[in-house]
Amino acid sequence: EAQVTQNPRYLITVTGKKLTVTCSQNMNHEYMSWYRQDPGLGLRQIYYSMNVEVTDKGDVPEGYKVSRKEKRNFPLILESPSPNQTSLYFCASRDPLSALHFGNGTRLTVT
Amino acid sequence: QKEVEQNSGPLSVPEGAIASLNCTYSDRGSQSFFWYRQYSGKSPELIMSIYSNGDKEDGRFTAQLNKASQYVSLLIRDSQPSDSATYLCAVNIPRNTGFQKLVFGTGTRLLVSP
Repeated sequence: EAQVTQNPRYLITVTGKKLTVTCSQNMNHEYMSWYRQDPGLGLRQIYYSMNVEVTDKGDVPEGYKVSRKEKRNFPLILESPSPNQTSLYFCASRDPLSALHFGNGTRLTVT
Repeated sequence: QKEVEQNSGPLSVPEGAIASLNCTYSDRGSQSFFWYRQYSGKSPELIMSIYSNGDKEDGRFTAQLNKASQYVSLLIRDSQPSDSATYLCAVNIPRNTGFQKLVFGTGTRLLVSP
């Protein structure tokens, strides 16, 4: 089954404790992206990757890192999480010009 | 001006009615348009894509595109309570690099009452 898999689904952590949210897709898509979604603000792009070893900042990249060492994986790293990073996070992938396929989301709470 | 704009709603319709959701976009060079449905706390789910002017029908859903007026709409016929969700409009906006960025509206919340 074609899918984007994110883990974990729920995560509660404390300020400053490094964390990684994993994302993997099995559709051989070159393009992958991370979004956060907050009430009233919609989906905002954090980082995206056009291909292996090619990543770029989206609209809200501060406080986040990503890596793309292989085509299928695109982890999101929070080196020092803060409470304002409490949000619902989505990983997504697509072919050029096609629609995005989203993972099931990760609800992160930073206390 | 936002690149993709939607009325946040809520749009309330009775069961069985037609729900009409609208979206406008700023870049005349945009070529591909998508509607996603999102239930609370869940991931967005693609329900329609449209690439050329006119109407595209899929079951109870019809997407309408008017590039001259820069709007795209989604009609839901025979609305059901299960259609209650937030509907996101997404538009591929060309960038100077040649890359097309998919930009989302903030969504319209639809409420269908039994």
